[in-house]
Amino acid sequence: DAGITQSPRHKVTETGTPVTLRCHQTENHRYMYWYRQDPGHGLRLIHYSYGVKDTDKGEVSDGYSVSRSKTEDFLLTLESATSSQTSVYFCAISPTSSQETQYFGPGTRLLVL
Amino acid sequence: EDKVVQSPLSLVVHEGDTVTLNCSYEVTNFRSLLWYKQEKKAPTFLFMLTSSGIEKKSGRLSSILDKKELFSILNITATQTGDSAIYLCAGVWGNTPLVFGKGTRLSVIA
Repeated sequence: DAGITQSPRHKVTETGTPVTLRCHQTENHRYMYWYRQDPGHGLRLIHYSYGVKDTDKGEVSDGYSVSRSKTEDFLLTLESATSSQTSVYFCAISPTSSQETQYFGPGTRLLVL
Repeated sequence: EDKVVQSPLSLVVHEGDTVTLNCSYEVTNFRSLLWYKQEKKAPTFLFMLTSSGIEKKSGRLSSILDKKELFSILNITATQTGDSAIYLCAGVWGNTPLVFGKGTRLSVIA
């Protein structure tokens, strides 16, 4: 398995509170991604990073921000959590030269009450 | 409009059956198509297809891409209960990240 960890693995929070999810890799891959997965929607890209301090928006970026200060860490922040952000969040990484083959972390299950 | 459309969205079969899962995609700047399997955890990579007509095979699973008709199929022969999962299709266009379809939920019953 690719060396990807996510923390926390489960979180319950209240509407309006900030939440930060962490993705950590030991593969030194350039590209990192945050997805959310909801029933009936498949995996949808939130934000991605193509290097330290280089990030871009995905399909469903509203309400989310990201930061990447080190190659190995990619943080996803919900500035003010809403119930619509209840989801399973997956981090993924891909090697330097290709975005195709992505390896996924174990996921974080977030419940916003 | 969705760039990747999978069908069926769910499927129930009996052990030993052969199944075919479908994935159609949008053509503009298309580069490659990937299949993933997702059990009760993270998706795991199955195949990447870039050339039309060349079958990729791994055990009982195989996949092929048809660039003329803009679709791919994933075949699973002699299905087992361990094949029960969500199968995800994803495409790459230009230099953008993967775009996933909604997935096909396969249930294999004994």
